[in-house]
Amino acid sequence: EVQLVDSGGGLVKPGGSLRLSCAASGFTFSSYAMNWVRQAPGKGLEWVSSISAGSHYIYYADSVKGRFSISRDNADNSLYLQMNSLRVEDTAIYYCARDAAAAAGHDYWGQGTLVTVSP
Amino acid sequence: DIQMTQSPSSLSASVGDRVTITCRASQGISNYLAWYQQKPGKVPKLLIYAASTLRSGVPSRFSGSGSGTDFTLTISSLQPEDVATYYCQKYDSALRTFGQGTKVEIK
Repeated sequence: EVQLVDSGGGLVKPGGSLRLSCAASGFTFSSYAMNWVRQAPGKGLEWVSSISAGSHYIYYADSVKGRFSISRDNADNSLYLQMNSLRVEDTAIYYCARDAAAAAGHDYWGQGTLVTVSP
Repeated sequence: DIQMTQSPSSLSASVGDRVTITCRASQGISNYLAWYQQKPGKVPKLLIYAASTLRSGVPSRFSGSGSGTDFTLTISSLQPEDVATYYCQKYDSALRTFGQGTKVEIK
């Protein structure tokens, strides 16, 4: 069974940093591109970042470019999101999500981890 | 950047009604479009990809159509368990923009 478990969220002050993790199991992690998607309280979904299976291709939404860094450890079946220079508007539930075959959407999602940025 | 615009932002319909949600891309994206369902307090779930391909296990009352810039998600007979917010997402490029969502409620 495919499982994605998100962790690392918490309360942080503006300007602070946080590192999110996503532990994957039940599939060959090294064969799939992965993503982070966030959802601010009461708002819609926002794609944040993606990383290819071998980490060769990395992309970011303009809203986080230069502040967030996505990475993965295929030996450990883990996905990460390093978040620096956090802003109040980064407050959201952060989900890791697997790319389906041919990148046709995100077919499995973690349960999400809440990041709150507040003075 | 390509923008994705959904309409309506919310709707209320009766059980058994046919419901249609529209998603419009600001530029052509061929059929690189997915639809998701997010029930209250739950994780989003992939329903449809390639604009019209139903993911395995998704009820057949859901269908998708369109290509280029205009897409639709149709629920042929609305059921109480379909109460949710529905999102479209483009995946024609590395920037995987979502629509703003359409909230579906039962009248």
